[in-house]
Amino acid sequence: KAGVTQTPRYLIKTRGQQVTLSCSPISGHRSVSWYQQTPGQGLQFLFEYFSETQRNKGNFPGRFSGRQFSNSRSEMNVSTLELGDSALYLCASSLATGVDTQYFGPGTRLTVL
Amino acid sequence: AQRVTQPEKLLSVFKGAPVELKCNYSYSGSPELFWYVQYSRQRLQLLLRHISRESIKGFTADLNKGETSFHLKKPFAQEEDSAMYYCALRDSGGYQKVTFGTGTKLQVIP
Repeated sequence: KAGVTQTPRYLIKTRGQQVTLSCSPISGHRSVSWYQQTPGQGLQFLFEYFSETQRNKGNFPGRFSGRQFSNSRSEMNVSTLELGDSALYLCASSLATGVDTQYFGPGTRLTVL
Repeated sequence: AQRVTQPEKLLSVFKGAPVELKCNYSYSGSPELFWYVQYSRQRLQLLLRHISRESIKGFTADLNKGETSFHLKKPFAQEEDSAMYYCALRDSGGYQKVTFGTGTKLQVIP
């Protein structure tokens, strides 16, 4: 099975712009979670989607949003970018809920200038 | 609120020496604990989970509910063990919110 894929892999934006990142989960996986990874804060949970519904959300401002499509692919959007949004954004998928293992994608490296 | 603490940012050990990566957690329910590893230029991957009680690449971790700890141990470190290690806790309720520790960089000195 192909692993979790994320596009684009690298992105450079300027302050005030918005950005959309995409995640394709492993085939058959219905749960997708997003994380922000920075040197200072480490890995922080953004949100999780399951069957097109947001099930949980971390402590991020409303500028961060996401959605999941019927094929389980997910997108996250960040509006009005700030310098502090520069990070590696990771997506992870799992079969469903409960004790299922999360499989991580390679991440999208976002740089905000 | 759930919280995971990894007190060491960097742990340096010599090859062949024992390794213990510390992880303490705060959670009101029955937690699911994991260790993830990220080798250089590779994606984050699951190393082991407490419910499996297995040994992966020589690593073991025991959940100590009394001390709220889930330390990762290996009796003899290898150079290829050098990586970032993250302890994580998952909400065992209806939602899958996962909280990660800040990570410990393990450096095995040849």
